[in-house]
Amino acid sequence: QVQLVQSGAEMKKPGASVKVSCKASGYTFISYGISWVRQAPGQGLEWMGWISAYNGNTNYAQKLQGRVTMTTDTSTSTAYMELRSLRSDDTAVYYCARDDSSNNYMDVWGKGTTVTVSS
Amino acid sequence: EIVLTQSPATLSLSPGERATLSCRASQNISSYLTWYQQKPGQAPRLLIYDASNRATGIPARFSGSGSGTDFTLTISSLEPEDFAVYYCQQRLNWPWTFGQGTKVEI
Repeated sequence: QVQLVQSGAEMKKPGASVKVSCKASGYTFISYGISWVRQAPGQGLEWMGWISAYNGNTNYAQKLQGRVTMTTDTSTSTAYMELRSLRSDDTAVYYCARDDSSNNYMDVWGKGTTVTVSS
Repeated sequence: EIVLTQSPATLSLSPGERATLSCRASQNISSYLTWYQQKPGQAPRLLIYDASNRATGIPARFSGSGSGTDFTLTISSLEPEDFAVYYCQQRLNWPWTFGQGTKVEI
C-alpha cells in the first residue's frame, strides 16, 4: 500500500539543526512531489514547502527561506527536510505528504515527526 | 501571499445535523481550493480538491462548492466520526497557504 514513513522524534537545542526523513513506498516516487507541513502545539497547519521528486525543484515558504532545505534521494525513495538555526517556535509536528501537483492536493501523509526545541 | 479566512472558528452541532463551513480567500483563486480533515493526534486527511471534487473514499455526505473567493464545505448529516478540525488550502499561488481551521464539535 502507499505509505510515507517518517523518522522518529527529535529533541534539539536552540541554534541546532534537524533533518527529518520521509520514506515512500507503494508508488512511483518520481511521479509525485513531496510537501512538508508543520503544526505547532495547539495550532493550525503551516505549509513549509514542496519538492519535486522528479527533478528536485523546490519552493519554500518565505518565512523559512535560508533556514530550510528539502532534498530527495530517488535511489531510496526518501525525502528529507533539514531546518537549521532552530528556535523554540520551531517546536512542532512535521508532516511530509505526497503531493499531486497536477490535481492540487496532498493525498498521502506521514504520521508526523515531533521536533522539540528547548534549552 | 493569499490569506484564507475560515468561519466560524468553532461549530457546535449534534450528530445528524448539517454542517456548513466557510473559507474566504483574500483574492480570486478560481477553483484551486482543497479541504482537509484532521482528528486529534492524526495527520490531515484529504477530503475535497479543486473546490468540489471528492477524494477517493470520501463519503457522499461531504461536498464542496464555490469559486473565486468564497468556498463552502458542507457535511449533510454529521456522523460521530466527523467531529474534527477542517482546514482549507489554496493551491493557486506559492506559498500554498492554509486557513486557520474550523473545529466541528459536539
